[in-house]
Amino acid sequence: QLQLQESGPGLVKPSETLSLTCTVSGGSISSSSYYWGWIRQPPGKGLEWIGSIYYSGSTYYNTSLKSRVTISLDTSKNQFSLKLSSVTAADTAVFYCARIFGDTYYFDYWGQGILVTVSS
Amino acid sequence: DIQMTQSPSSLSASVGDRVTITCRASQSISKYLNWYQQKPGKAPKVLIYAASNLQSGVPSRFSGSGSGTDFTLTISSLQPEDFATYYCQQSYSRPFTFGPGTKVDIK
Repeated sequence: QLQLQESGPGLVKPSETLSLTCTVSGGSISSSSYYWGWIRQPPGKGLEWIGSIYYSGSTYYNTSLKSRVTISLDTSKNQFSLKLSSVTAADTAVFYCARIFGDTYYFDYWGQGILVTVSS
Repeated sequence: DIQMTQSPSSLSASVGDRVTITCRASQSISKYLNWYQQKPGKAPKVLIYAASNLQSGVPSRFSGSGSGTDFTLTISSLQPEDFATYYCQQSYSRPFTFGPGTKVDIK
């Protein structure tokens, strides 16, 4: 059974860089059938796709965040990571990592989510 | 970017009711429409992908239909565990976008 688990600091200061890692177990992130992505959800609000990465390293970012986002892969650890720079209070959210089924691009497996608060 | 809208934003229903939620895209997305269920404090769970395909393990009381710009999610007989928020998501083009959600609660 595929499992995804987010990890990283729960508190980040304004203007700093938020860094999260998603560890995948029960499957390989090197599969050509899937993409891997990040989604966020501010408290009490809806879902926003942040970006995705393919096993080849190709990345796709939401245009609203593109200048601040970097997603990368570490195939040796079966992990992928998110960096979001210059954060503000508006970036406070639950961050989810997810697997994306390649043909129809739906999120079929999700991590449990991690709350990241931006505050001094 | 493709904008997604949902109606209603919330509804109250009873166990056994038939429930229909509508999702509309700002432009044609063919059948690249997915539905998720989210319960408080939990990650979303996919119910329907590509407009009408039931994800493995999801009860058959859930069904989806539509193409182009208009889509529906139907719960044929609402069960206690179905009280949740439902989101649609388009996967036709990046950036992938979600609808604002429909909260289904107990009447």
